Amino acid sequence: AQSVAQPEDQVNVAEGNPLTVKCTYSVSGNPYLFWYVQYPNRGLQFLLKYITGDNLVKGSYGFEAEFNKSQTSFHLKKPSALVSDSALYFCAVRDRSRDDKIIFGKGTRLHILP
Amino acid sequence: EAGVAQSPRYKIIEKRQSVAFWCNPISGHATLYWYQQILGQGPKLLIQFQNNGVVDDSQLPKDRFSAERLKGVDSTLKIQPAKLEDSAVYLCASSPGGLGSGNTIYFGEGSWLTVV
Repeated sequence: AQSVAQPEDQVNVAEGNPLTVKCTYSVSGNPYLFWYVQYPNRGLQFLLKYITGDNLVKGSYGFEAEFNKSQTSFHLKKPSALVSDSALYFCAVRDRSRDDKIIFGKGTRLHILP
Repeated sequence: EAGVAQSPRYKIIEKRQSVAFWCNPISGHATLYWYQQILGQGPKLLIQFQNNGVVDDSQLPKDRFSAERLKGVDSTLKIQPAKLEDSAVYLCASSPGGLGSGNTIYFGEGSWLTVV
């Protein structure tokens, strides 16, 4: 069965520093991988996805993520954090060889300290 | 392009009452999803439609939850009777569809349910 793990409940980063939000996955086949962000009292907003090709994926708001097949990871990164990046981040996976179900991690709360 | 529309945004009901949530997906999107998000957790899929057919409802508590997608467009999620543990955000989402595709899923703003 497919699954997603976000090992950190919360990540604190000083403004201007680089940030990383970790995600590992488990699927029987090849994955589609996604990152979403959720601001307070809002729905989930799509940030970026990995489908195929270049392992480094660039997305919205300056975020990027690197697909690492050997480590089954898809960590979210940003070179310089902004206070406005503070939110809840969800990693999600879909197994290419199965149906269209997408499974979400439990989320990581990102706090950017001014 | 209009996003996924949901209503109502907020609802407070007493336990054992019923509630219904409505969703209008992005135009042309064949796949529609209902997720339940309990505070502090990630979204959990309740039901997935492909056009007006159910693809997956394995995690839908069928004794109290029901959903339909008439004519393959709008959808309604109903809870009857509600329990305290149903307090959550109910997220509707849609995607262009196609089983096994890498299409992005787009979410609505959610319907926030509090059961007292």
